[in-house]
Amino acid sequence: GESVGLHLPTLSVQEGDNSIINCAYSNSASDYFIWYKQESGKGPQFIIDIRSNMDKRQGQRVTVLLNKTVKHLSLQIAATQPGDSAVYFCAEKYSGTYKYIFGTGTRLKVLA
Amino acid sequence: DAGVIQSPRHEVTEMGQEVTLRCKPISGHNSLFWYRQTMMRGLELLIYFNNNVPIDDSGMPEDRFSAKMPNASFSTLKIQPSEPRDSAVYFCASSSTGKNTIYFGEGSWLTVV
Repeated sequence: GESVGLHLPTLSVQEGDNSIINCAYSNSASDYFIWYKQESGKGPQFIIDIRSNMDKRQGQRVTVLLNKTVKHLSLQIAATQPGDSAVYFCAEKYSGTYKYIFGTGTRLKVLA
Repeated sequence: DAGVIQSPRHEVTEMGQEVTLRCKPISGHNSLFWYRQTMMRGLELLIYFNNNVPIDDSGMPEDRFSAKMPNASFSTLKIQPSEPRDSAVYFCASSSTGKNTIYFGEGSWLTVV
């Protein structure tokens, strides 16, 4: 039978479209945020990070937006490709600590 | 550059047996983390080392779990005796003081039957 556990939200996008994955974080004092990508059977892989003194940061095909007012983080992937299919986690780091709190993740499915 | 290296990648063991998971952090990193990932609870921090010293072990589930870091390039997580509920993926991660990004290994997939 189906195991009880975290039900990951799933985002399905067409290949070539842009993807937006959202994350609500918990601590207004968090000063650093990371997005990770986890493919099946692998460990979380660093994608992009942003400090709390920034609102936006761009990488290759990815952009992270930070809205501290509503404690919201988003990851935008441009021209989504089949290789982008994975679970994406956001992580926040509490200011002055080593503690990272991870979100539950969003599964991204890229449709051909 | 070599990333965080974990072994074994997969282990199946019988309940009651001792399990030892190993980790080699990225060279030059002085912070090391052990995480556990399950469907029920997601990623949970078990223990954090800084400069080989355990700083926070509040996430270690119970006395059956122990972790050591005898030197800057090696850490172990031991479960004795193992139980079926310990079945999970155990990740080691490392970072460098002053740099916030933590890097994960590929994980050790543990099944206790």
